Amino acid sequence: AQTVTQSQPEMSVQEAETVTLSCTYDTSENNYYLFWYKQPPSRQMILVIRQEAYKQQNATENRFSVNFQKAAKSFSLKISDSQLGDTAMYFCAFIWLGGSARQLTFGSGTQLTVLP
Amino acid sequence: GAGVSQSPRYKVAKRGQDVALRCDPISGHVSLFWYQQALGQGPEFLTYFQNEAQLDKSGLPSDRFFAERPEGSVSTLKIQRTQQEDSAVYLCASNYRDGTQYFGPGTRLLVL
Repeated sequence: AQTVTQSQPEMSVQEAETVTLSCTYDTSENNYYLFWYKQPPSRQMILVIRQEAYKQQNATENRFSVNFQKAAKSFSLKISDSQLGDTAMYFCAFIWLGGSARQLTFGSGTQLTVLP
Repeated sequence: GAGVSQSPRYKVAKRGQDVALRCDPISGHVSLFWYQQALGQGPEFLTYFQNEAQLDKSGLPSDRFFAERPEGSVSTLKIQRTQQEDSAVYLCASNYRDGTQYFGPGTRLLVL
């Protein structure tokens, strides 16, 4: 079974600064994707970024980038130039693409607060 | 529609009542998922459809939970004889063929 661990329940950052959220996962599989989702108080789960495990290059989306360390099973999210609208719960998630299972396995989340 | 929609957004039920939660996936999306999210926790998988076929229902917590997707589009999650522990946000997600799931806004269920 796959597990996803987020060891930082809460974090805060000053507006315009950079913050890194940590995530580790455990799997014996090779064919998988990793995601970061953002969930603001409205509860809508919004995709932030995706990383395919077979790609060595780290994914980037504007101010969001990841540090994917496959051997260490680590997948951190870096948010640059933090904005007030980045305040949300952030979830790391894993999906295994082999077999018939297709569900996401989520971590417990990190509540990020961006301070003015 | 442009995204996944869910209704109702909020539902208050008395213990013992039956409830039905609806999910409209993104048009053309083959796969549909239901998750349950307790307060302060990450979503937990309930069940998964590919078109109209329910391929995995291993996450349904009891036989009071039932889901269907009869025409391979809209899905309904039904909870019979609701209990207080059923209070949670129920999230629906869909995807086309790759692994990326797109979520609806959720239905917040409160059982009194």
